[in-house]
Amino acid sequence: EAQVTQNPRYLITVTGKKLTVTCSQNMNHEYMSWYRQDPGLGLRQIYYSMNVEVTDKGDVPEGYKVSRKEKRNFPLILESPSPNQTSLYFCASSLTGLDNTIYFGEGSWLTVV
Amino acid sequence: AQKVTQAQTEISVVEKEDVTLDCVYETRDTTYYLFWYKQPPSGELVFLIRRNSFDEQNEISGRYSWNFQKSTSSFNFTITASQVVDSAVYFCALSERGLNAGKSTFGDGTTLTVKP
Repeated sequence: EAQVTQNPRYLITVTGKKLTVTCSQNMNHEYMSWYRQDPGLGLRQIYYSMNVEVTDKGDVPEGYKVSRKEKRNFPLILESPSPNQTSLYFCASSLTGLDNTIYFGEGSWLTVV
Repeated sequence: AQKVTQAQTEISVVEKEDVTLDCVYETRDTTYYLFWYKQPPSGELVFLIRRNSFDEQNEISGRYSWNFQKSTSSFNFTITASQVVDSAVYFCALSERGLNAGKSTFGDGTTLTVKP
């Protein structure tokens, strides 16, 4: 089954404690992306990757890091989380990112206290 | 910079009514893609449609139809004979193809409530 898998789905953490949200897809997609969703603000893109070893900033990259060492994985790293990073995070993938169906993970609820 | 505006924050209709969700976009790119997504109360995001800037043909898929008009920079979504299961937040999004290929911008979403 084609899917995008995110972990953890739910996490409460403390300010400053590094955390990683993993994202894995099983469709051999070139394109992967991270978004955050906040009430009233829709989805905002954090980082995206057009292929292995290629990553670019979205609209809200501050406070986040990503890596794309292999095609299937695109982890989101919060080096020093702060309360304003409390949000719902979505990972997505598509074959090329330009003209194909986009598949989303189920979302990860992160709370930073 | 690209921008997507969904002016309707919330819409409420009664089942079987038709409803149109508006989407207006801004971009300097001549080649771009427009998307609609659905987010039901369960929270997942569902891709509905992609349209590229060269294809202004309207699209119909069952009760759903999309009207793309480059002249007005709009990509509106109509649900015909709405059903309670259509209740969701709907997002319009834009992705350029040029130097910022892969970068996407979402509207703030329209919450549609369909009452029985």
